Amino acid sequence: DTAVSQTPKYLVTQMGNDKSIKCEQNLGHDTMYWYKQDSKKFLKIMFSYNNKELIINETVPNRFSPKSPDKAHLNLHINSLELGDSAVYFCASSQEVITPYNEQFFGPGTRLTVL
Amino acid sequence: SQQGEEDPQALSIQEGENATMNCSYKTSINNLQWYRQNSGRGLVHLILIRSNEREKHSGRLRVTLDTSKKSSSLLITASRAADTASYFCATDAPPNYGQNFVFGPGTRLSVLP
Repeated sequence: DTAVSQTPKYLVTQMGNDKSIKCEQNLGHDTMYWYKQDSKKFLKIMFSYNNKELIINETVPNRFSPKSPDKAHLNLHINSLELGDSAVYFCASSQEVITPYNEQFFGPGTRLTVL
Repeated sequence: SQQGEEDPQALSIQEGENATMNCSYKTSINNLQWYRQNSGRGLVHLILIRSNEREKHSGRLRVTLDTSKKSSSLLITASRAADTASYFCATDAPPNYGQNFVFGPGTRLSVLP
């Protein structure tokens, strides 16, 4: 009964390729997020979607394009992968956005390695 | 530097001892949350403290919040080897303060048996 799931768990690819990471939550939450955790363990928000609409879009290269086909899914597509994209990407979800009290539930992460 | 920064970066204690980690932040917040991350795993939510709260307990966890100093502390009492993990604080700031859900770099806690 995984709450927030991501696939794949590991992704190794060559520079220049295009890849996607999928995220699904079965919690009935309205809001989903993508975070990037770099090698120094800094966790930075990339995107936030509420009911399939983009809410937060931090300074992320436009090679990264999130897609939300429905509120239970938020996929991350990355074009023209670069070495610096190597990181662990976490998906998360929460019940509401822009309220004082939302708790986020995280997926297990996808470790992306760009060679 | 990051909105939320944990201190110390690494902490090593014996089983049974208490562990205290601190978090400092820069802007006004709605709430502050603490998460745990086991090696190679996702983050698990531990506790949320609202900006109008000063202290909160959950089992062996005690969190304090001092909004005047823009700091929070996480105390784990009677630590166990299973508490070995990285601990992150995350701040949820009001929208007009810019970035929401900003995590610090974490404190790596090692509890030795």
